[in-house]
Amino acid sequence: EVQLVESGGALVQPGGSLRLSCAASGFTFSPYAMHWVRQAPGKGLEYVSTIWSTGEYTFYASSVKGRFTISRDNSKSMLYLQMGSLRVEDTAIYYCARNTGSYLSPGDSWGQGTLVTVSS
Amino acid sequence: QSVLTQPPSVSAAPGQRVTISCSGSSSNIGNNYVSWYQQLPTTSPKLLVYDSNMRPSGIPDRFSGSKSGTSATLDIAGLQTGDEADYYCGTWDTSLNGYVFGIGTKVTVL
Repeated sequence: EVQLVESGGALVQPGGSLRLSCAASGFTFSPYAMHWVRQAPGKGLEYVSTIWSTGEYTFYASSVKGRFTISRDNSKSMLYLQMGSLRVEDTAIYYCARNTGSYLSPGDSWGQGTLVTVSS
Repeated sequence: QSVLTQPPSVSAAPGQRVTISCSGSSSNIGNNYVSWYQQLPTTSPKLLVYDSNMRPSGIPDRFSGSKSGTSATLDIAGLQTGDEADYYCGTWDTSLNGYVFGIGTKVTVL
């Protein structure tokens, strides 16, 4: 069974840092691009970042570019999101998702999410 | 606001059909595949359609997607009470060099 499990969410002060992790199991991780998507309380889905299967290419939403870094360790089937200079508006549930389809698109497997709260 | 436009809400009686539109531009829908997601309350999003009109295994054929030009559509036939959820379209935007979601459409079964 395909499974994605996020962890690392916490309460952090504005300006702080946090690293989220996503553990993949039940499938061969390395061939898949992976994504981070977030959802603020009561709001819609917001794209955060994408990483190619090899990690060679990464993409970011303009709202997080320069502050967040996506990475992966294919030997451990792990996806990461290093978050810095956190703002109140970064408060959200953060989901990791496996790519599905002919191009880059969060797809058929999502984690349960991990909550990041940025507040003083 | 989003570069993809969806109606905030649609509603219909059980057994009827609803159509959710998603309008974009040549930098997104016009030149890329569209996905559709269902999010039931307090759950993670679920993929309903990918590559504009393909269904993952396990998704009933009551859900169908299509794309024409810079717009896409999700049809839900034979509406059921369990279909009450938020529905999002999404696609890659080559100008933004990232993925974009619509604002979401809330489906209500009357």
